[in-house]
Amino acid sequence: GAVVSQHPSWVICKSGTSVKIECRSLDFQATTMFWYRQFPKQSLMLMATSNEGSKATYEQGVEKDKFLINHASLTLSTLTVTSAHPEDSSFYICSARQAGEPYEQYFGPGTRLTVT
Amino acid sequence: AQKVTQAQTEISVVEKEDVTLDCVYETRDTTYYLFWYKQPPSGELVFLIRRNSFDEQNEISGRYSWNFQKSTSSFNFTITASQVVDSAVYFCALSERDDKIIFGKGTRLHILP
Repeated sequence: GAVVSQHPSWVICKSGTSVKIECRSLDFQATTMFWYRQFPKQSLMLMATSNEGSKATYEQGVEKDKFLINHASLTLSTLTVTSAHPEDSSFYICSARQAGEPYEQYFGPGTRLTVT
Repeated sequence: AQKVTQAQTEISVVEKEDVTLDCVYETRDTTYYLFWYKQPPSGELVFLIRRNSFDEQNEISGRYSWNFQKSTSSFNFTITASQVVDSAVYFCALSERDDKIIFGKGTRLHILP
């Protein structure tokens, strides 16, 4: 079955540093990947839509200069949190939509980011 | 704009009871997809069902069943004979034309032994 991985599964970084999270579709090609953020006891909020080879589309209120998204291949998208602050601490989840019918989306296991 | 409402924030039932989680959605599209996901304490989303707007048949999978009613824009989820392992947060979600998936706020389900 379709598998999406995320790396790292958890990361702790110091305030002011940048951290990169990878999202990979392991056994299918994904022209589109989505990035979500989930604060404790809250729902998943879509941050951005990433299309292979083009710029990401950010949801309203998401700072594109702070959350850099790169989707350089059909199996890999990265999210870089730049100059992280404690309020960026969250659970980041990606999903990958397979290229072609039936366009199923598969979610990664998530990355827990803690900024100290 | 698309929207998903899960009015039940938290539910507690005793094991073996049946429980229904409500989901009401809004969309202007005639083509859309509805989902249910389970999120256990580990955080990883577990896919339960995907249903397209043209298929109103109810679905049953083991102890799980789903009732899709376009007339009331609802897609409710019932767990029969609940078990402690069913304790989790359950999200109803919607996507329009295979686009981004928008989630409801979730219902935290506690199954008490």
